Amino acid sequence: EAGVTQSPTHLIKTRGQQATLRCSPISGHTSVYWYQQALGLGLQFLLWYDEGEERNRGNFPPRFSGRQFPNYSSELNVNALELEDSALYLCASSLGYGYTFGSGTRLTVV
Amino acid sequence: GQQLNQSPQSMFIQEGEDVSMNCTSSSIFNTWLWYKQDPGEGPVLLIALYKAGELTSNGRLTAQFGITRKDSFLNISASIPSDVGIYFCAGQGAQKLVFGQGTRLTINP
Repeated sequence: EAGVTQSPTHLIKTRGQQATLRCSPISGHTSVYWYQQALGLGLQFLLWYDEGEERNRGNFPPRFSGRQFPNYSSELNVNALELEDSALYLCASSLGYGYTFGSGTRLTVV
Repeated sequence: GQQLNQSPQSMFIQEGEDVSMNCTSSSIFNTWLWYKQDPGEGPVLLIALYKAGELTSNGRLTAQFGITRKDSFLNISASIPSDVGIYFCAGQGAQKLVFGQGTRLTINP
C-alpha cells in the first residue's frame, strides 16, 4: 500500500511569488492535514480537509489556502511568499485516529 | 486552545544509555501517540495508546498513558545511533492531533 506522497520534494521561490504544494493521501483516507515545520521547531497546524471541505484552520494568514479534490488529494497554496514561509510543509492523512505523514516539501523563499 | 508541554526539549546522551521523555497537558485526551522524525523526513508513528493507565512496548520503546489522561511518557532503553531524531508526543483531540514541541535526541557514540 502506497503511503502519503507529497510533491515536489523541494521548491525554491522568490519573495512575493506563489507556491503550490501537493499531497496524495493513503488510499481510503478521507482526511488530509497540513502542517508547517520551521527549522528546528515543532509542528504548526495549518489546515484540515475532510470529504472535500475545510474543517479547521490554524493560526495562519489567509494567504495560506488549499483545497481537497474528489479523489481526496489536496493542494496547499501560499500566496505572496515571505522569507519566513521557508519551512518543511508536511501533509498527513487519517481515517480516524492517528496520522500517517508524508516526507514533506521543503520550501525555500529567497 | 489545547497545548502539550513536552520535556526535555533536547537530550545529549551516550550510546547505550536509557532515555526518558514526557508530555503533560491541561486537557484530557482519549488517545496518546508518540512519533519520531528523522532529518528531512515526516514523523513516523512509534506507539499508540488508547486507554488510561495503558503501558505498551515496541521493542526497546515503552510508553504509558497516564491515569489522569493528561500525560504520557516514552522510554527508550539501551539507545543506539539510529535512535537520533526528534520525538513528538501527540494527543488526539476532538478534531485533530495536538503535538508537543518535540524532544531532540543526540547520541554520542
